[in-house]
Amino acid sequence: GAGVSQSPRYKVAKRGQDVALRCDPISGHVSLFWYQQALGQGPEFLTYFQNEAQLDKSGLPSDRFFAERPEGSVSTLKIQRTQQEDSAVYLCASSLEAGQGSGGELFFGEGSRLTVL
Amino acid sequence: GNSVTQMEGPVTLSEEAFLTINCTYTATGYPSLFWYVQYPGEGLQLLLKATKADDKGSNKGFEATYRKETTSFHLEKGSVQVSDSAVYFCALEKVKAAGNKLTFGGGTRVLVKP
Repeated sequence: GAGVSQSPRYKVAKRGQDVALRCDPISGHVSLFWYQQALGQGPEFLTYFQNEAQLDKSGLPSDRFFAERPEGSVSTLKIQRTQQEDSAVYLCASSLEAGQGSGGELFFGEGSRLTVL
Repeated sequence: GNSVTQMEGPVTLSEEAFLTINCTYTATGYPSLFWYVQYPGEGLQLLLKATKADDKGSNKGFEATYRKETTSFHLEKGSVQVSDSAVYFCALEKVKAAGNKLTFGGGTRVLVKP
């Protein structure tokens, strides 16, 4: 597709369930980011991939959060044993460029809205 | 650490009014600065950017100037339209070895009434 695609768009989980959120970045984009956006807040960085390598996972809030990008394209964010505080919109973004801050544009998907009951 | 502070909304305006959204930042060194916009039902998209002090970013009638002396990047538009109703996010990108991750402000919702 032409843009970043995320699925599912909406996910309702019972507390304690595991969830997996998928991101299809723009073809050929080297960099991929996951952000978490709580209601009424700005996006907060979770993790960054350059191709298949996860170079920064400093924003992951706990060891229940895990992300992968095994072939350097599609990425999955997995949340184990979900808690109510995990309820948020999870945004994926990709960028053509890599490496140090370059002023490059990030292309965002529409997000996956997770609600944990 | 890095942080971005922007004025809280919602901001409600009439069509053709002047819009200003204040944004200030805290960062060491010389970050790149961005404004992203989120229209209803859509993902965030880049509106404009500035990569060094005194640069002016502009797009779709919006402008913002990178002011290092006041650590600010205020967004302005001289005459808003109903289609400008959206949530606007100020962000900075600090040069790091691992990627160009962004630090966002909390967002400002703008509602333009006909």
